[in-house]
Amino acid sequence: SAVISQKPSRDICQRGTSLTIQCQVDSQVTMMFWYRQQPGQSLTLIATANQGSEATYESGFVIDKFPISRPNLTFSTLTVSNMSPEDSSIYLCSVEVGTGPGYTFGSGTRLTVV
Amino acid sequence: GESVGLHLPTLSVQEGDNSIINCAYSNSASDYFIWYKQESGKGPQFIIDIRSNMDKRQGQRVTVLLNKTVKHLSLQIAATQPGDSAVYFCAATISGNTPLVFGKGTRLSVIA
Repeated sequence: SAVISQKPSRDICQRGTSLTIQCQVDSQVTMMFWYRQQPGQSLTLIATANQGSEATYESGFVIDKFPISRPNLTFSTLTVSNMSPEDSSIYLCSVEVGTGPGYTFGSGTRLTVV
Repeated sequence: GESVGLHLPTLSVQEGDNSIINCAYSNSASDYFIWYKQESGKGPQFIIDIRSNMDKRQGQRVTVLLNKTVKHLSLQIAATQPGDSAVYFCAATISGNTPLVFGKGTRLSVIA
């Protein structure tokens, strides 16, 4: 299965600022998925990032707030913009690699907005 | 759309007993199901998966059962150990590089 390097692993940010989260995959993948996990809750899909096209956002998530880049088949970034305390969550990227079972997840970015 | 839910938010079991975690899904088109384990401060870790052409799959100490008729799946952990303490999520998708839809999660606590 794929190995994902996600960084930063955690950060504490001031409200009104932005944070960019990076995910690097050790193999080429068509789709990368970005999730948010609010405290004590399950994972919610933010968007699907396909290389060479605009990301597809789920209901409740917009590009201005969560811009995504997908410059190549092994890398993607998610930016959390104009942050507020409500954005405090764990953000995770995920990929499906056809050679192995399941979907692989990064270790997550624990974001605290103060 | 898909929604996936769990019957119990928390589960406490004695060490050595078997654990059963349940999950229901709503989209009958879902054909691929995965159970994940998430420990504090970590990302979800793959446990076991099952495709819709099967109704049972076994791994090491874990078994997943799928009932497509009632859109239900379960995770059975045999001889539960303290290291099994974590939050368990089921997830469902339609094969073809589509995103997973996660259930709410069950926190498993193992009592020594």
